[in-house]
Amino acid sequence: NAGVTQTPKFQVLKTGQSMTLQCAQDMNHNSMYWYRQDPGMGLRLIYYSASEGTTDKGEVPNGYNVSRLNKREFSLRLESAAPSQTSVYFCASSDSGQRYEQYFGPGTRLTVT
Amino acid sequence: TQLLEQSPQFLSIQEGENLTVYCNSSSVFSSLQWYRQEPGEGPVLLVTVVTGGEVKKLKRLTFQFGDARKDSSLHITAAQPGDTGLYLCAGETSNDYKLSFGAGTTVTVRA
Repeated sequence: NAGVTQTPKFQVLKTGQSMTLQCAQDMNHNSMYWYRQDPGMGLRLIYYSASEGTTDKGEVPNGYNVSRLNKREFSLRLESAAPSQTSVYFCASSDSGQRYEQYFGPGTRLTVT
Repeated sequence: TQLLEQSPQFLSIQEGENLTVYCNSSSVFSSLQWYRQEPGEGPVLLVTVVTGGEVKKLKRLTFQFGDARKDSSLHITAAQPGDTGLYLCAGETSNDYKLSFGAGTTVTVRA
């Protein structure tokens, strides 16, 4: 089992460029999440998908869109990147019957210049 | 403002010493989880506590959930360099599929 996989691992964008971060899980989990992690601020939820076919905004959704492509895959899109979106992005999944315990991917380090 | 406040923010100790990390809130949680994150990796779940007053042990790590389910602590006995990492607490407040994370405590154990 690979668990949660994310691509790419590193990315540098110029202001205004767009990109999609990919995430897939092989644990048959219903719920998936996108977080960003910035120094001193912990993990902040961007968007989540409680189950296939649904998505909801988290704490910091502005500037992002998501797609729950199927039960396995949940992508995060930046339509017009800004320097404030420089961060480390983590995807996670959980089995909603287990207290939403999160299983995280290895992260994507994004720099916007 | 974070729902969960962790203290201290940084902790540096010598191998063999004990340490305690705190996670506090004014909110009541249905459950509270602790994660450890090593540099360049995603957080990994250590434990989930559910009942007020609950104590769980994981080798040299002891986790306690406050009686009122508003706070938790993580105590490490005889710390080792392998315990170095960012410790995050996360709380479940309602049945909405989400967790709220604290900002984390960076623990460094010197050999």
